[in-house]
Amino acid sequence: DAKTTQPPSMDCAEGRAANLPCNHSTISGNEYVYWYRQIHSQGPQYIIHGLKNNETNEMASLIITEDRKSSTLILPHATLRDTAVYYCIVRPSTGTASKLTFGTGTRLQVTL
Amino acid sequence: DGGITQSPKYLFRKEGQNVTLSCEQNLNHDAMYWYRQDPGQGLRLIYYSQIVNDFQKGDIAEGYSVSREKKESFPLTVTSAQKNPTAFYLCASSLIRGGVQETQYFGPGTRLLVL
Repeated sequence: DAKTTQPPSMDCAEGRAANLPCNHSTISGNEYVYWYRQIHSQGPQYIIHGLKNNETNEMASLIITEDRKSSTLILPHATLRDTAVYYCIVRPSTGTASKLTFGTGTRLQVTL
Repeated sequence: DGGITQSPKYLFRKEGQNVTLSCEQNLNHDAMYWYRQDPGQGLRLIYYSQIVNDFQKGDIAEGYSVSREKKESFPLTVTSAQKNPTAFYLCASSLIRGGVQETQYFGPGTRLLVL
Protein backbone atom coordinates (compact mmCIF):
# COMPACT_ATOMS: atom_id res chain seq x y z
CA ASP A 1 0.00 0.00 0.00
CA ALA A 2 1.20 3.53 -0.75
CA LYS A 3 2.42 5.62 2.14
CA THR A 4 0.74 8.88 3.06
CA THR A 5 2.16 12.00 4.71
CA GLN A 6 0.04 14.39 6.76
CA PRO A 7 0.90 17.34 9.01
CA PRO A 8 0.76 16.27 12.67
CA SER A 9 -1.60 19.03 13.76
CA MET A 10 -3.73 21.91 12.54
CA ASP A 11 -5.98 24.53 14.09
CA CYS A 12 -9.17 25.95 12.64
CA ALA A 13 -11.62 28.57 13.90
CA GLU A 14 -15.19 27.43 14.30
CA GLY A 15 -17.30 28.28 11.27
CA ARG A 16 -14.33 28.47 8.95
CA ALA A 17 -13.32 25.86 6.39
CA ALA A 18 -10.79 23.29 7.51
CA ASN A 19 -8.46 22.16 4.72
CA LEU A 20 -6.48 19.04 5.60
CA PRO A 21 -3.72 18.09 3.16
CA CYS A 22 -2.35 14.65 2.40
CA ASN A 23 0.59 13.64 0.27
CA HIS A 24 0.52 10.23 -1.42
CA SER A 25 3.16 10.57 -4.10
CA THR A 26 3.61 6.81 -4.59
CA ILE A 27 -0.07 6.04 -5.11
CA SER A 28 -0.88 3.45 -7.79
CA GLY A 29 -3.49 3.86 -10.48
CA ASN A 30 -5.87 1.38 -8.84
CA GLU A 31 -5.68 2.82 -5.31
CA TYR A 32 -8.44 4.83 -3.67
CA VAL A 33 -7.83 7.74 -1.32
CA TYR A 34 -9.89 7.30 1.86
CA TRP A 35 -10.41 9.66 4.77
CA TYR A 36 -11.46 8.64 8.26
CA ARG A 37 -11.52 10.55 11.51
CA GLN A 38 -11.26 9.39 15.10
CA ILE A 39 -12.62 11.28 18.03
CA HIS A 40 -10.86 10.45 21.28
CA SER A 41 -11.60 6.93 22.54
CA GLN A 42 -14.04 6.15 19.72
CA GLY A 43 -13.83 4.00 16.62
CA PRO A 44 -12.72 5.61 13.35
CA GLN A 45 -15.54 7.20 11.37
CA TYR A 46 -15.58 6.97 7.58
CA ILE A 47 -15.77 10.38 5.91
CA ILE A 48 -15.26 10.11 2.16
CA HIS A 49 -13.21 8.41 -0.54
CA GLY A 50 -12.28 8.95 -4.18
CA LEU A 51 -10.26 7.52 -7.03
CA LYS A 52 -9.63 10.30 -9.56
CA ASN A 53 -12.48 12.79 -9.45
CA ASN A 54 -13.31 15.23 -6.69
CA GLU A 55 -16.04 13.99 -4.38
CA THR A 56 -18.53 15.67 -2.05
CA ASN A 57 -20.95 14.29 0.52
CA GLU A 58 -22.86 15.65 3.48
CA MET A 59 -19.75 15.66 5.66
CA ALA A 60 -16.93 16.91 3.46
CA SER A 61 -15.36 17.43 0.06
CA LEU A 62 -12.33 15.62 -1.29
CA ILE A 63 -10.09 17.32 -3.82
CA ILE A 64 -7.57 15.07 -5.59
CA THR A 65 -4.86 16.63 -7.75
CA GLU A 66 -4.72 15.68 -11.40
CA ASP A 67 -1.54 13.64 -10.91
CA ARG A 68 -3.19 11.98 -7.86
CA LYS A 69 -0.08 12.57 -5.76
CA SER A 70 -1.89 14.62 -3.16
CA SER A 71 -5.35 15.40 -1.90
CA THR A 72 -7.17 17.79 0.42
CA LEU A 73 -10.10 17.06 2.69
CA ILE A 74 -12.32 20.10 3.17
CA LEU A 75 -14.73 20.52 6.06
CA PRO A 76 -16.67 23.56 4.81
CA HIS A 77 -17.87 24.93 8.15
CA ALA A 78 -15.90 23.39 11.01
CA THR A 79 -17.56 23.00 14.40
CA LEU A 80 -16.15 22.06 17.79
CA ARG A 81 -17.44 18.53 17.19
CA ASP A 82 -15.06 18.20 14.25
CA THR A 83 -12.08 18.20 16.64
CA ALA A 84 -10.49 14.80 15.98
CA VAL A 85 -7.55 12.99 14.40
CA TYR A 86 -8.02 12.77 10.63
CA TYR A 87 -6.45 9.89 8.71
CA CYS A 88 -5.69 9.82 4.99
CA ILE A 89 -5.30 6.28 3.67
CA VAL A 90 -4.71 4.74 0.27
CA ARG A 91 -6.19 1.36 -0.46
CA PRO A 92 -6.40 -0.87 -3.54
CA SER A 93 -9.68 -0.72 -5.44
CA THR A 94 -9.38 -4.42 -6.29
CA GLY A 95 -9.18 -7.47 -4.10
CA THR A 96 -11.60 -9.07 -1.68
CA ALA A 97 -10.10 -7.95 1.58
CA SER A 98 -7.26 -5.69 2.53
CA LYS A 99 -6.14 -3.94 5.65
CA LEU A 100 -6.34 -0.22 6.14
CA THR A 101 -2.93 1.20 6.99
CA PHE A 102 -3.49 4.06 9.38
CA GLY A 103 -0.58 6.40 10.01
CA THR A 104 -0.52 8.95 12.81
CA GLY A 105 -2.89 11.35 11.02
CA THR A 106 -3.53 15.07 11.55
CA ARG A 107 -4.90 16.25 14.87
CA LEU A 108 -7.42 18.99 14.02
CA GLN A 109 -8.30 21.36 16.84
CA VAL A 110 -11.35 23.54 16.18
CA THR A 111 -11.44 26.60 18.42
CA LEU A 112 -14.00 29.28 19.26
CA ASP B 1 -30.68 0.39 14.47
CA GLY B 2 -28.02 -0.82 12.05
CA GLY B 3 -24.33 -0.92 12.77
CA ILE B 4 -21.42 -2.62 14.44
CA THR B 5 -21.49 -3.26 18.15
CA GLN B 6 -18.58 -4.21 20.38
CA SER B 7 -18.77 -5.34 23.94
CA PRO B 8 -17.73 -4.73 26.57
CA LYS B 9 -16.55 -1.13 26.33
CA TYR B 10 -13.90 -1.78 28.97
CA LEU B 11 -12.40 -5.15 29.88
CA PHE B 12 -9.93 -6.07 32.57
CA ARG B 13 -7.69 -9.10 32.27
CA LYS B 14 -5.69 -10.80 34.95
CA GLU B 15 -2.30 -12.30 34.21
CA GLY B 16 -2.58 -15.70 32.49
CA GLN B 17 -6.25 -15.25 31.67
CA ASN B 18 -7.91 -15.56 28.26
CA VAL B 19 -10.57 -12.96 27.45
CA THR B 20 -12.98 -12.72 24.54
CA LEU B 21 -14.07 -9.50 22.87
CA SER B 22 -17.39 -9.49 21.07
CA CYS B 23 -18.11 -7.95 17.67
CA GLU B 24 -21.54 -8.12 16.02
CA GLN B 25 -22.80 -6.44 12.86
CA ASN B 26 -26.28 -6.30 11.37
CA LEU B 27 -25.21 -4.67 8.11
CA ASN B 28 -25.09 -7.99 6.25
CA HIS B 29 -21.42 -7.31 5.55
CA ASP B 30 -19.31 -10.16 4.24
CA ALA B 31 -15.89 -9.31 5.62
CA MET B 32 -14.95 -8.54 9.21
CA TYR B 33 -11.68 -7.31 10.70
CA TRP B 34 -9.94 -6.88 14.04
CA TYR B 35 -7.44 -4.08 14.60
CA ARG B 36 -5.37 -3.08 17.59
CA GLN B 37 -4.52 0.54 18.43
CA ASP B 38 -1.84 1.57 20.91
CA PRO B 39 -1.68 5.11 22.35
CA GLY B 40 -0.66 7.70 19.78
CA GLN B 41 -0.30 5.11 17.04
CA GLY B 42 -2.19 3.93 14.01
CA LEU B 43 -4.20 0.73 13.69
CA ARG B 44 -2.61 -2.67 13.14
CA LEU B 45 -4.50 -5.62 11.65
CA ILE B 46 -4.83 -8.72 13.84
CA TYR B 47 -7.17 -11.02 11.87
CA TYR B 48 -9.73 -10.75 9.12
CA SER B 49 -12.44 -12.93 7.65
CA GLN B 50 -14.08 -12.76 4.24
CA ILE B 51 -16.62 -15.55 4.67
CA VAL B 52 -18.06 -17.74 7.39
CA ASN B 53 -15.72 -20.43 8.74
CA ASP B 54 -12.68 -18.83 7.12
CA PHE B 55 -10.22 -16.26 8.43
CA GLN B 56 -6.67 -15.08 7.81
CA LYS B 57 -3.89 -13.72 10.01
CA GLY B 58 -3.04 -10.08 9.84
CA ASP B 59 0.22 -8.41 10.80
CA ILE B 60 0.11 -9.11 14.54
CA ALA B 61 -1.87 -12.36 15.01
CA GLU B 62 0.39 -13.96 17.61
CA GLY B 63 -1.37 -14.36 20.95
CA TYR B 64 -4.84 -13.90 19.45
CA SER B 65 -7.49 -16.25 18.05
CA VAL B 66 -10.79 -15.72 16.23
CA SER B 67 -13.79 -17.64 14.96
CA ARG B 68 -16.42 -16.88 12.32
CA GLU B 69 -19.29 -19.29 12.87
CA LYS B 70 -21.92 -16.76 11.82
CA LYS B 71 -21.81 -14.01 9.24
CA GLU B 72 -22.74 -11.35 11.76
CA SER B 73 -20.30 -12.32 14.51
CA PHE B 74 -16.47 -12.27 14.72
CA PRO B 75 -15.27 -12.67 18.33
CA LEU B 76 -11.62 -12.12 19.22
CA THR B 77 -9.90 -14.04 22.04
CA VAL B 78 -6.85 -12.50 23.62
CA THR B 79 -4.90 -15.44 24.99
CA SER B 80 -2.36 -15.58 27.81
CA ALA B 81 0.31 -15.87 25.09
CA GLN B 82 -0.25 -12.20 24.24
CA LYS B 83 2.30 -10.58 26.53
CA ASN B 84 1.28 -6.97 26.05
CA PRO B 85 -2.49 -6.99 25.55
CA THR B 86 -3.28 -3.53 26.92
CA ALA B 87 -4.68 -1.62 23.93
CA PHE B 88 -7.80 -0.33 22.21
CA TYR B 89 -9.36 -3.05 20.03
CA LEU B 90 -11.43 -2.11 16.99
CA CYS B 91 -13.69 -4.30 14.91
CA ALA B 92 -14.64 -3.34 11.35
CA SER B 93 -16.74 -4.81 8.56
CA SER B 94 -17.25 -4.30 4.85
CA LEU B 95 -19.24 -5.58 1.90
CA ILE B 96 -17.58 -7.59 -0.82
CA ARG B 97 -19.30 -6.87 -4.13
CA GLY B 98 -18.24 -8.30 -7.43
CA GLY B 99 -15.15 -9.71 -5.74
CA VAL B 100 -14.08 -6.27 -4.50
CA GLN B 101 -13.97 -5.04 -0.93
CA GLU B 102 -15.95 -1.88 -0.26
CA THR B 103 -15.65 0.70 2.52
CA GLN B 104 -14.75 -0.56 6.00
CA TYR B 105 -16.90 0.69 8.86
CA PHE B 106 -15.76 0.53 12.47
CA GLY B 107 -17.36 -0.31 15.77
CA PRO B 108 -16.94 1.81 18.92
CA GLY B 109 -14.04 -0.25 20.28
CA THR B 110 -13.14 -2.18 23.43
CA ARG B 111 -10.41 -0.96 25.75
CA LEU B 112 -8.54 -3.87 27.34
CA LEU B 113 -6.53 -3.31 30.49
CA VAL B 114 -4.31 -5.79 32.29
CA LEU B 115 -4.54 -5.89 36.09
